[in-house]
This record gives sequence, structure tokens and C-alpha cells, in this order.
Amino acid sequence: DSGVTQTPKHLITATGQRVTLRCSPRSGDLSVYWYQQSLDQGLQFLIQYYNGEERAKGNILERFSAQQFPDLHSELNLSSLELGDSALYFCASSGRVTGEQYFGPGTRLTVT
Amino acid sequence: DQQVKQNSPSLSVQEGRISILNCDYTNSMFDYFLWYKKYPAEGPTFLISISSIKDKNEDGRFTVFLNKSAKHLSLHIVPSQPGDSAVYFCAAFTGGGNKLTFGTGTQLKVEL
Repeated sequence: DSGVTQTPKHLITATGQRVTLRCSPRSGDLSVYWYQQSLDQGLQFLIQYYNGEERAKGNILERFSAQQFPDLHSELNLSSLELGDSALYFCASSGRVTGEQYFGPGTRLTVT
Repeated sequence: DQQVKQNSPSLSVQEGRISILNCDYTNSMFDYFLWYKKYPAEGPTFLISISSIKDKNEDGRFTVFLNKSAKHLSLHIVPSQPGDSAVYFCAAFTGGGNKLTFGTGTQLKVEL
């Protein structure tokens, strides 16, 4: 158990809808990262927050957004969903701005 | 542009023997490398890391070797155990950065 929690575990929704994925980092970790893993793909970095502020952006679509709240949990919002957004979404946290990242169990999103 | 490459999608090894997983990278700015292990339906688990100022780091049965001139790193697992069967991801980032770039993974199967 990495100490990072993600909810929900599974999510099935229709095209055009909007969903919110939630992540709670390990106790004391200030950095939260979001990754997408599509079928047969490696993990693609989406975005990082550090202590409430956006620190780095990867290949995140404009339809996607994230935020980190004062209690350090983070939410990833996916809107106008397309079939191609079906993937595993992982959250990770670390205790520093950079360094080893500890991953949650992921949220499996299926868009039908 | 795949900056971190794991060219072997799968590897099969007998229990007790050595497993060697390979990773190549193209970005000379990478200066910190990590290996993660992933079981199905779980998030990646951090295994071991190495800074570019070192050429070897050891932790129990796991050793990572870095050859900077060849832009190559490898993970050695000795002795291999059935519980090591998982997907192994190589990842890298620049010390001043926070975006982890992952390879596509190698599925290791340790057979009895």
C-alpha cells in the first residue's frame, strides 16, 4: 500500500459527459501528479501540482483540468469525453518538488 | 518521440536465475532514473533509482546499472522469484524538472 488513494476505482460514462477523479496523496506529501495509461501505452504525464500550485504540464488536453485543494487532495476533471479518453488514470505523490513518486491504484475510466 | 525506450516487451526467466531488464534513453538532460514494478490492477510501485553521478545502485536483490555514454541502464534481479513476475517500467527525469518520462514497460515472467 503506497498510501495514495484514488476514487472511484472504476467509472463508466458516455461520450460528451464530464467526470471528476479524486486523489489523496500520502500523508505529508505536497506534490501530486496525474498520469494516463491507455491500452498498450506507457504512462503519460499529464500535470503536477505542488502545495496547491500547478508546477508542470505534460500532454494534457484542454478538455482536462486539475486542481489541488488546501488539504492537498487533488481532482482531475475530464469533460466532453471521447471514446479515446478510456484509460487508466493514476495519481502519484512525492514529498518534494522532484523525486521518487508513489502511485495510487488508479481509476479505470471507460467511455461508451 | 519516445525518449525512454524499453525494446523488449517481454522476458521469461527461470526461478533462481538472473533477470536483466534494459532501458535506453535519448535525452542527455536526464540525470535521474527510476525503475517501477506494476502488477495488474495496481499502481506502479517504486523499486530503485540511480543518479547520473553514479554507475551502480544496489538494494537487496535489485541492482541498477547506468552507462551514461551509451545512454543505457539496466535492472538486474538476482535471484529471480515468481513474485517478481510483473511489468517493469523504466523512468527518467531531469534533476531540475518534475516530469517523469516512462518507457513502455517490459513484462517479466519468472517461471518455476
